[in-house]
Order: sequence, then structure tokens, then C-alpha cells
Amino acid sequence: NAGVTQTPKFRVLKTGQSMTLLCAQDMNHEYMYWYRQDPGMGLRLIHYSVGEGTTAKGEVPDGYNVSRLKKQNFLLGLESAAPSQTSVYFCASTSSAPSYEQYFGPGTRLTVT
Amino acid sequence: GQQVMQIPQYQHVQEGEDFTTYCNSSTTLSNIQWYKQRPGGHPVFLIQLVKSGEVKKQKRLTFQFGEAKKNSSLHITATQTTDVGTYFCAGPVLTGGGNKLTFGTGTQLKVEL
Repeated sequence: NAGVTQTPKFRVLKTGQSMTLLCAQDMNHEYMYWYRQDPGMGLRLIHYSVGEGTTAKGEVPDGYNVSRLKKQNFLLGLESAAPSQTSVYFCASTSSAPSYEQYFGPGTRLTVT
Repeated sequence: GQQVMQIPQYQHVQEGEDFTTYCNSSTTLSNIQWYKQRPGGHPVFLIQLVKSGEVKKQKRLTFQFGEAKKNSSLHITATQTTDVGTYFCAGPVLTGGGNKLTFGTGTQLKVEL
């Protein structure tokens, strides 16, 4: 099993450009999450999904959109990138069982100039 | 809102010295999880504590959950270079379901030979 995979690994965008980050998991997990990680601020939840076709806002959702058309995939979109969105983005998934551990992907390092 | 703080933010130790990181929540937690992130890597689940006053050991790592279930600690005995990384605690978000976690700010450990 590959676990959780993310593409791309690195990306540089110019202000105003758009892009989509793809997350895929092969563990048949119901729940999936997108986090951003900035120095000294830990991991902050952007959006999450509790199942195919459902999404919800997390702690820092502004400037991002998500879609979960298939259970194994969770997409994060930036419609008009801003320098404040320079960060490392992690996708994670977990079982719907209570208090289950989260499995993280390898991350995408995004720089917006 | 719900907050999870960790201290210290950084710790440099000589190999063989002990290390402790402390995690404090603004609310009572049903459980607490600990994750380790190697430099350039992604968070990896270490352990979950559920019971008040619980102590669990993994080789040189000792995890404690406070009696009031609002704080936790991770202690590493005789650190090694393989312990380098950032350690995060995480508690479940009380509202909205989805098995969401609030992550602490993390403690970055550096081990010098």
C-alpha cells in the first residue's frame, strides 16, 4: 500500500496564478484533511471531508477550495495564489472510528512570488 | 477557541542527555496523540493516550497524560541523533465531528554529537 500520496512535491507560483494539489489514499479511509504548516505555527486545518461528495471548512479556509468526487481523492485548489499562501501543505486521512490516528502524505512545498 | 500549546519551542541537547516536551490544552481532552516529524518529512503518529494519569513507554520514550486530562508530556531518555525532529501533540476538536485534531505548536529537537 502506498498510504497517502500527494502531487506535486514542489511548486512555484506567481501571484494570481491558480493550481490544484492532489491527494490520494489507498486505505479506504472515510475522512480526509488538508493542513498547512508554517514555521512556529504547527499544523492548521484548511478544509476536511467526512466522505465522498462532502467537504467542510477548517480553521483557515479562506483562499482555498476543495473537492472530494471520489472517496480516495481529495483536491485542494488555489484560485488566485497570494504570497501569504507560501507554505508546506499536508494531506492526511483517517478512519471514521473515534479517535483514530491520522496518516499524512509527504507534503507539497508551495512558494508564491 | 480550543488551543493546544507546547513548550519549549526549540531544544538543543547533547547526545545522551534527556529531553522533555510539555503540552497544555485550554480544554479537557478525551485523548491526546503524539506525532513526530523528521526534518523535511511528514508527521508520523507515535502514540495515543486516553486515560487520566496514563503512562506509556516506547523504548526510550515515555508519554504521560495528566490527571485532569489537560496536559501531557513526552520524555526521551538518553537522546540519540535519530531522535532529531519536531514533536507535536494533538487533541480532538470538540465540535463538528470528523475526527478533527488541534495540533500543538510543536517542539523542535536538535541533538548534537
